Amino acid sequence: GAVVSQHPSWVICKSGTSVKIECRSLDFQATTMFWYRQFPKQSLMLMATSNEGSKATYEQGVEKDKFLINHASLTLSTLTVTSAHPEDSSFYICSARFGGATETQYFGPGTRLLVL
Amino acid sequence: GQNIDQPTEMTATEGAIVQINCTYQTSGFNGLFWYQQHAGEAPTFLSYNVLDGLEEKGRFSSFLSRSKGYSYLLLKELQMKDSASYLCAVSDSNYQLIWGAGTKLIIKP
Repeated sequence: GAVVSQHPSWVICKSGTSVKIECRSLDFQATTMFWYRQFPKQSLMLMATSNEGSKATYEQGVEKDKFLINHASLTLSTLTVTSAHPEDSSFYICSARFGGATETQYFGPGTRLLVL
Repeated sequence: GQNIDQPTEMTATEGAIVQINCTYQTSGFNGLFWYQQHAGEAPTFLSYNVLDGLEEKGRFSSFLSRSKGYSYLLLKELQMKDSASYLCAVSDSNYQLIWGAGTKLIIKP
């Protein structure tokens, strides 16, 4: 399957700081990338859909000014958690949609964010 | 509304066979996906069905009935490493994935 990388894999930061997470599709061009959040023992929650060259579409309840998404190229999308607080601590996972007949989403390995 | 239902948890024995069911009601249908997610890790793609019938891939098979809004994932010759959550997701008319809550599969020796 297609390969998606995510960096960093772990982040520990102080409350009030901003954290940037990168998501790259390594062997294909992804016009659409997705950002998910998952709290322990809970389901995946879609935060936003990111299309290359345009503004991201956020799900209801997700603050777009707090979770800034940039999709500047066909292989890179970034999520910036601004002014992070302890309640933002979670597992953030990106996925890239591989085109063709199936439009399969391939996931990055995820980023664990811990805000102290 | 859009809805995906799958059992919350299932238990099976090593070496046995288990079937995880998924029923769905969505606005449009562009295929059904199964993903595996081990604890603490991101989901990995297992299978895709868009036509009715059975798709076999090694020890794993996935079945789809569009008229019934139903799919199942069949795991044969269960191994301890198959202990994970299995996520059913449907691609709707806009190619957006609607996710089920996942089925936690516990394998016992």
